[in-house]
Amino acid sequence: GAVVSQHPSWVICKSGTSVKIECRSLDFQATTMFWYRQFPKQSLMLMATSNEGSKATYEQGVEKDKFLINHASLTLSTLTVTSAHPEDSSFYICSASQVLSNSPLHFGNGTRLTVT
Amino acid sequence: AQSVTQLDSHVSVSEGTPVLLRCNYSSSYSPSLFWYVQHPNKGLQLLLKYTSAATLVKGINGFEAEFKKSETSFHLTKPSAHMSDAAEYFCAFTSGTYKYIFGTGTRLKVLA
Repeated sequence: GAVVSQHPSWVICKSGTSVKIECRSLDFQATTMFWYRQFPKQSLMLMATSNEGSKATYEQGVEKDKFLINHASLTLSTLTVTSAHPEDSSFYICSASQVLSNSPLHFGNGTRLTVT
Repeated sequence: AQSVTQLDSHVSVSEGTPVLLRCNYSSSYSPSLFWYVQHPNKGLQLLLKYTSAATLVKGINGFEAEFKKSETSFHLTKPSAHMSDAAEYFCAFTSGTYKYIFGTGTRLKVLA
C-alpha cells in the first residue's frame, strides 16, 4: 500500500518552455504533498508544501511564480516549471503523507528534468 | 534547532559483513525518525520508522534501527550486507508537523 506515482520519470525540454510534473497517491488520500529538488549526490531540498484546496507554502528562496504548484484533489498534485532554464535541470521528487501526523512520507520515483 | 546528522557520507563493507549507518538528531520534542533508501534515479523507499513505540525497530530487507534517547541516535544496522544493499541511505526526522528534515545521506558501497 501507500504508493505514490510520479510522471514523467524523465523529460527534456527547451529553454523557455514549461514542464508539468504530476504526483498521484494511488491508494490513499494525501491532504499534504511535498515537492523536493535533489542536486547530484546531495540530500533532498524541500521546495514547497502542497495542501489540498489551498495555496502551496513555499520554502525561502523558492520562486512561487517559477514553480507553480496545484493540489486540486486529495490524490493529485502538480508542479509546473515555467519558462525553464538550464539551471532548473535537476531531479524533482514528490512525496505524500497520509492524514495522520508522524505518518511516514511516501515518495514518487522522481522526475529527471533536463533543460537544453 | 532541529536537525539530523548522518555522520558518514560514505561507508564501504564487504558482502556478508555487518552494516552500520549512523544518524544523530537534535530536537526539543519527541521525534519520529525514519530511514529511507534511494537507488540511482529513483525516489526514496521507506526502510523503517520509529514513532515512540518499541525502541528497536525492524524494517524491510533485514534492516533494523535502535532509538537511543540518551545518545540522541537512531543508527541503522544489518547483520549481513548484500550486493543489492548498495545505495544512498537517508535518515529523516519529524516532530509532529508535516515538515520532515533529512540528513545529508550516506552512500553504502558493498564490496564483493
